[in-house]
Amino acid sequence: QKEVEQDPGPLSVPEGAIVSLNCTYSNSAFQYFMWYRQYSRKGPELLMYTYSSGNKEDGRFTAQVDKSSKYISLFIRDSQPSDSATYLCAMTGHTGTASKLTFGTGTRLQVTL
Amino acid sequence: GAVVSQHPSWVICKSGTSVKIECRSLDFQATTMFWYRQFPKQSLMLMATSNEGSKATYEQGVEKDKFLINHASLTLSTLTVTSAHPEDSSFYICSASSQGANGYTFGSGTRLTVV
Repeated sequence: QKEVEQDPGPLSVPEGAIVSLNCTYSNSAFQYFMWYRQYSRKGPELLMYTYSSGNKEDGRFTAQVDKSSKYISLFIRDSQPSDSATYLCAMTGHTGTASKLTFGTGTRLQVTL
Repeated sequence: GAVVSQHPSWVICKSGTSVKIECRSLDFQATTMFWYRQFPKQSLMLMATSNEGSKATYEQGVEKDKFLINHASLTLSTLTVTSAHPEDSSFYICSASSQGANGYTFGSGTRLTVV
């Protein structure tokens, strides 16, 4: 069993839809949770960062963490074609600059006109 | 924000030759950098942790003699793929953090094609 499970998709939605992306994990030591967006042939860029359980909102993006269920989500409101990318969840148990991140496989999102 | 510069963005080389990829932290010092490999439509696979002034720490299954990592300064880490073969063709990405788990910045990646 992988430490982090993420549906690879692809997920296709019409413009303006609300998108829900999810990851489950098995390691209860994970406390820091991140969502990255990766465009084709580019490095990942950090979208959201959350510590422990709770919600965090930034513009059209909302990240949720439920540590009791070992389940994290990223919601994208009013999705745009420019949101078409692969979304990777990542997590770690430590906050130091040498902390390794464990990634999900990534979900490919396609927002259509 | 923190910027990590990676070069080259793409490279084509012949089998048996070596290729060096550079990763620089432009506006912060990085005692630790990470090197990942990514296959098409797959996630990032951590290859090694690059430590400034000391030997890199390789993940299980990664050949240290094939993937040479040098982290000679606080702003530069290099990955050299030695005696490259077509199966080494992949997307290689580096990352570093200036401020812990919420500060990991990735380079733009290097697409290596070995012919």
